[in-house]
Amino acid sequence: ILNVEQSPQSLHVQEGDSTNFTCSFPSSNFYALHWYRWETAKSPKALFVMTLNGDEKKKGRISATLNTKEGYSYLYIKGSQPEDSATYLCASITSGTYKYIFGTGTRLKVLA
Amino acid sequence: EAQVTQNPRYLITVTGKKLTVTCSQNMNHEYMSWYRQDPGLGLRQIYYSMNVEVTDKGDVPEGYKVSRKEKRNFPLILESPSPNQTSLYFCASSFSGLSGNTIYFGEGSWLTVV
Repeated sequence: ILNVEQSPQSLHVQEGDSTNFTCSFPSSNFYALHWYRWETAKSPKALFVMTLNGDEKKKGRISATLNTKEGYSYLYIKGSQPEDSATYLCASITSGTYKYIFGTGTRLKVLA
Repeated sequence: EAQVTQNPRYLITVTGKKLTVTCSQNMNHEYMSWYRQDPGLGLRQIYYSMNVEVTDKGDVPEGYKVSRKEKRNFPLILESPSPNQTSLYFCASSFSGLSGNTIYFGEGSWLTVV
């Protein structure tokens, strides 16, 4: 089993702060990386699907970058709001397989 | 509305009593899969299906069975549940098994085996 690691495990930020967290994944045979947002008592919802080295994706105040050569992706949230509070999951997919390997997530709490 | 529907959402059962968790999607997706979520661990794949009558083991298949007789349905069967199968279960689907496709998750099923 390939390991996908996310850091930090959890963090608290003040409303208005910008923040970022990391997803590390095996770089060999990389195929794609997904980011999901998971709110308490709901199901994970897709944020980004990234496949190319150097990819940058943006959705509102949230953006993500991808470095497939070194095996990491950053998720950025600009001007955090309380409604951004959630667990952010990443999943790595290796070419030749149909298995999504999920990290354990980063739990974000934005304090008003 | 595009959705993945799981039932039951909450269940307490006893060791050894066979149960089935149903999963249905209305998006005509080819790929469906089951995950379990346990504290401190990421979502772990139990089984997946590339299409009707095509299923394969994920990373933690022991103690589970699945079937894919119709494209929209992918039930998870626990023939003889044990307490270590107490977990939060998610069914998911995507357009195809290609990893560029977004995964859509169901709302989750909390299962407790006593």
